[in-house]
Amino acid sequence: AQTVTQSQPEMSVQEAETVTLSCTYDTSESDYYLFWYKQPPSRQMILVIRQEAYKQQNATENRFSVNFQKAAKSFSLKISDSQLGDAAMYFCAYEGSNYKLTFGKGTLLTVNP
Amino acid sequence: DTGVSQDPRHKITKRGQNVTFRCDPISEHNRLYWYRQTLGQGPEFLTYFQNEAQLEKSRLLSDRFSAERPKGSFSTLEIQRTEQGDSAMYLCASSLGQGVYEQYFGPGTRLTVT
Repeated sequence: AQTVTQSQPEMSVQEAETVTLSCTYDTSESDYYLFWYKQPPSRQMILVIRQEAYKQQNATENRFSVNFQKAAKSFSLKISDSQLGDAAMYFCAYEGSNYKLTFGKGTLLTVNP
Repeated sequence: DTGVSQDPRHKITKRGQNVTFRCDPISEHNRLYWYRQTLGQGPEFLTYFQNEAQLEKSRLLSDRFSAERPKGSFSTLEIQRTEQGDSAMYLCASSLGQGVYEQYFGPGTRLTVT
């Protein structure tokens, strides 16, 4: 079974600074997808960024980018120029051949003005 | 289409009662998922449908839980004889079928069992 580990229960960052959230996973599959989801307080979960395992190039979406290290099974999220609206719970998730998401426990990000 | 909707948003029930939740996916999405999220945890997979067929059920889904998706449109999740341990946020998500696609989540139904 696949597992996803987020070792940072909480992180904080100053507005306009950069922060990196960590995620590691375990799988025996070679073809899979990794995601970062954002869940603001009392609001629904939305996708931040996705990475296909077969792609060597790291995904980027505006201020969000990932560092995908397949051999190390590591998938970190970098948020640049942090904004107050980035404050949320961030979940790392894995999807393999069974098409269901396995989530980590999440990292609560606080953005300080 | 404005996205995945869930009803009700909140439900308080007494232990032993039955509850039913509804999820309306994005109209062109073939896959529909149910997840459960408890406080301080990430969502955990419960079950999913491809059109009207229920393809997988988690071991978390005891015999008291049943899900349906008649005609491959909306889905219902019923919990019979609720227990305090069932208190959680129940999330529904949908995605296009065939391969890996982004799952779009609904706002969730928060269940409190007293």
